[in-house]
Amino acid sequence: DAGITQSPRHKVTETGTPVTLRCHQTENHRYMYWYRQDPGHGLRLIHYSYGVKDTDKGEVSDGYSVSRSKTEDFLLTLESATSSQTSVYFCAIRSSSGYEDEQYFGPGTRLTVT
Amino acid sequence: TQLLEQSPQFLSIQEGENLTVYCNSSSVFSSLQWYRQEPGEGPVLLVTVVTGGEVKKLKRLTFQFGDARKDSSLHITAAQTGDTGLYLCAGAHTGGFKTIFGAGTRLFVKA
Repeated sequence: DAGITQSPRHKVTETGTPVTLRCHQTENHRYMYWYRQDPGHGLRLIHYSYGVKDTDKGEVSDGYSVSRSKTEDFLLTLESATSSQTSVYFCAIRSSSGYEDEQYFGPGTRLTVT
Repeated sequence: TQLLEQSPQFLSIQEGENLTVYCNSSSVFSSLQWYRQEPGEGPVLLVTVVTGGEVKKLKRLTFQFGDARKDSSLHITAAQTGDTGLYLCAGAHTGGFKTIFGAGTRLFVKA
C-alpha cells in the first residue's frame, strides 16, 4: 500500500463544466502521474510531476491541466469537460525503493460527462 | 510512438488450465513490469524484470523477459478463478520518467 488516495471516487458532471480530481499521497514520493484508462487503450499518460510545481505533459494532455503546490497533492483539472473525457482516471506514484520504474496506483476516479 | 502490444486481448479458460500471455514491442526497455487489475481497482504490481532472458516466478506465475529486452511473457500454471483480471505489461527506458503501458489481456477463469 503506497498510501495513495483519490477523490472523488465517482463523479457525474455536465459538458462544459470544470472538474478537479485530487490525488493525495502520504509517503513523500517525488514523482506523481495522472492516467486515463479506456477500453482497448490501456493506461494513457495525461500529465506527470517530478516535484513541487514541476510538471510536464503526457501523450493525451489536451483539455487537461495539473497543479502540484505540495509534495503530497497532485490535482488534475478538466477546464471544460467534454463527453470524450468520460473515463476512469488513475493517479500513480513512482517507487522510491526497489526498481525505480515501478509505479503504485490509487483506486481510481470514475468520471462521467453527460 | 513506442507501443507495447499484448496478446491475446481476451482469454477465457477453465480452472486448472495453463495459459501464456505475451507483450511485444520494437523498442528496447531497461525494465518491464507486469500488473494485475481487478474491476473497480487500480493496477497492482506483480513483478519487474530487468535483465535480458531473466525468468521470475511468483507462485504459479512465471514471467520471462526476452533476450533482447523487447518482449516478455507471463505464464500461469493451473489457473484458478482468483487469477481472473486484466493483466497489463509496462515498459520503461533508462533515465526516463515515463512508462508505456500495453492495452492489457483480460483473463477470465471459469470454475
